Amino acid sequence: KQEVTQIPAALSVPEGENLVLNCSFTDSAIYNLQWFRQDPGKGLTSLLLIQSSQREQTSGRLNASLDKSSGRSTLYIAASQPGDSATYLCAVGGAGSYQLTFGKGTKLSVIP
Amino acid sequence: NAGVTQTPKFRILKIGQSMTLQCTQDMNHNYMYWYRQDPGMGLKLIYYSVGAGITDKGEVPNGYNVSRSTTEDFPLRLELAAPSQTSVYFCASSSGAANMNEKLFFGSGTQLSVL
Repeated sequence: KQEVTQIPAALSVPEGENLVLNCSFTDSAIYNLQWFRQDPGKGLTSLLLIQSSQREQTSGRLNASLDKSSGRSTLYIAASQPGDSATYLCAVGGAGSYQLTFGKGTKLSVIP
Repeated sequence: NAGVTQTPKFRILKIGQSMTLQCTQDMNHNYMYWYRQDPGMGLKLIYYSVGAGITDKGEVPNGYNVSRSTTEDFPLRLELAAPSQTSVYFCASSSGAANMNEKLFFGSGTQLSVL
């Protein structure tokens, strides 16, 4: 059974700092990995989707990498801003099911 | 752009009551999903649908029922509510299977308390 782990559970950084969020998964036979953002009281917003054949995806100040063989992904946020404060979740899609397996998320606080 | 719309946003139920959580999407997506999110936990899939008239169980289906009579709507029914069903419920949709490189679009959630 696929398990997805995100460490740390919470992270606080000063504004302007570059930061990395980590995601690990136990079964490397995945089709894709997605990073989501969740704001308090709101639903999830898809940030980046990396297909299993890709190594990274970029959107603005966000860069996500994928290393299937080691079962790891990172989300890099450049020049963090207070508006980046949210919970970030990663999820993996694998064979045999239409569903994604989600991690518990990392709660990010960017201090002005 | 409406996207995925869920109602209600908040609800308090008494033990044993029933209710239906509504979900509608205007993106003509075939795939729809119901997830629950407990505090400090990842999302767990309750039920999903790959098209009108087709539904299947997810990881935690007990105590819930769904129907999919149209492409747009995917209501979730709670029968005989129990305190263990206190959670935040999210509806989501995608044009193709979520595990096959399709982005998921989420509603804003329904916070349900069973007392």
